[in-house]
Amino acid sequence: NAGVTQTPKFQVLKTGQSMTLQCAQDMNHEYMSWYRQDPGMGLRLIHYSVGAGITDQGEVPNGYNVSRSTTEDFPLRLLSAAPSQTSVYFCASRQGNSPLHFGNGTRLTVT
Amino acid sequence: AQSVSQHNHHVILSEAASLELGCNYSYGGTVNLFWYVQYPGQHLQLLLKYFSGDPLVKGIKGFEAEFIKSKFSFNLRKPSVQWSDTAEYFCAVNEPAGDSSYKLIFGSGTRLLVRP
Repeated sequence: NAGVTQTPKFQVLKTGQSMTLQCAQDMNHEYMSWYRQDPGMGLRLIHYSVGAGITDQGEVPNGYNVSRSTTEDFPLRLLSAAPSQTSVYFCASRQGNSPLHFGNGTRLTVT
Repeated sequence: AQSVSQHNHHVILSEAASLELGCNYSYGGTVNLFWYVQYPGQHLQLLLKYFSGDPLVKGIKGFEAEFIKSKFSFNLRKPSVQWSDTAEYFCAVNEPAGDSSYKLIFGSGTRLLVRP
């Protein structure tokens, strides 16, 4: 039972580069979301999806794109990385009112 | 928009001391409330949750929380902490997201250090 799988675990980017953080879940959860975690600021919601084909913005969506073409996958794209996007990113999923299941996180550094 | 306040950013306790971490939220409607814990180097794990019913909720590892609707609070408590409780604790509250779904809004977290 893999749960929520995030790749990569670590990534270093240069300013202006693009990349995609991958998130996959094998629990058939309808709801998926991306958070970023920064010291003293807790977890802030970037984007979320209530089902395949449906995405919406969270608290801090600027600079990030998402898509949800399948129930299992919810990739997060950084089109032009900035140092302010240095953070730890967590993907999470749930079904109905069940609690969120979190992935192990991706630590991103933008230089 | 929903906001969640955790007023204690850092707490240092000795083993066997009692713990209470504050959490206040702003949403006035029906709420679902959660406490998550993040041990060093790990992802978040659910400690306990409140959806309805008894406002005193018991979670894993001896933790409990009390929902006080009139105070918009959901404080986390443990009568006697252990060194292994050293972690960061996050309060979270749901906010309606349309389509009968909700999104989860987190507080800024409280870092707990328990000294042996």
